[in-house]
Amino acid sequence: SAVISQKPSRDICQRGTSLTIQCQVDSQVTMMFWYRQQPGQSLTLIATANQGSEATYESGFVIDKFPISRPNLTFSTLTVSNMSPEDSSIYLCSVEGFGASGAYEQYFGPGTRLTVT
Amino acid sequence: GIQVEQSPPDLILQEGANSTLRCNFSDSVNNLQWFHQNPWGQLINLFYIPSGTKQNGRLSATTVATERYSLLYISSSQTTDSGVYFCAVDPQGGSEKLVFGKGTKLTVNP
Repeated sequence: SAVISQKPSRDICQRGTSLTIQCQVDSQVTMMFWYRQQPGQSLTLIATANQGSEATYESGFVIDKFPISRPNLTFSTLTVSNMSPEDSSIYLCSVEGFGASGAYEQYFGPGTRLTVT
Repeated sequence: GIQVEQSPPDLILQEGANSTLRCNFSDSVNNLQWFHQNPWGQLINLFYIPSGTKQNGRLSATTVATERYSLLYISSSQTTDSGVYFCAVDPQGGSEKLVFGKGTKLTVNP
């Protein structure tokens, strides 16, 4: 399995500001994933972050709004830029890890609960 | 893209009752996982089950890949089972990206 930590765990931010979320993994991984979960909704993939290359964004998400860094194989950051109340969500980081199933499974960090006022 | 549908959307049980949650998916998959999101938002891995049947305590899961559905069984439910249960799939030909269903919100009353 993989142990993932995220900082901050929660934050309340003013509209128009930016917040950078950190994700740290206890082992080296090739790909890291960033998801958004809007209130009462399911999870939606924002982007895939590979070390040494630009992140790959899903439809509806752009680099100017959600810049991502991946400086090494255990760490990534997601920035939510120029925030509006619609950005209020839980942001989750995930990675693949070798699980008890004997296969590679995705594991999720505890999430960052963001409220924009 | 692949569609993932979960049913029922909401389920209310009395403690001790059994339940079955369903996940239908529209195309072949490499991977299927069940997660439990607790009231604090943490996603907990329950099963990695692209096919076959697995059991873990009071929980078990079955995936029939040829018919594109998976079932999660919860027996003798407890209040701590409350939360949202998500099914997520990695489509064949994809790149380990999970596509999530909308979830089943389970409430277990004492």
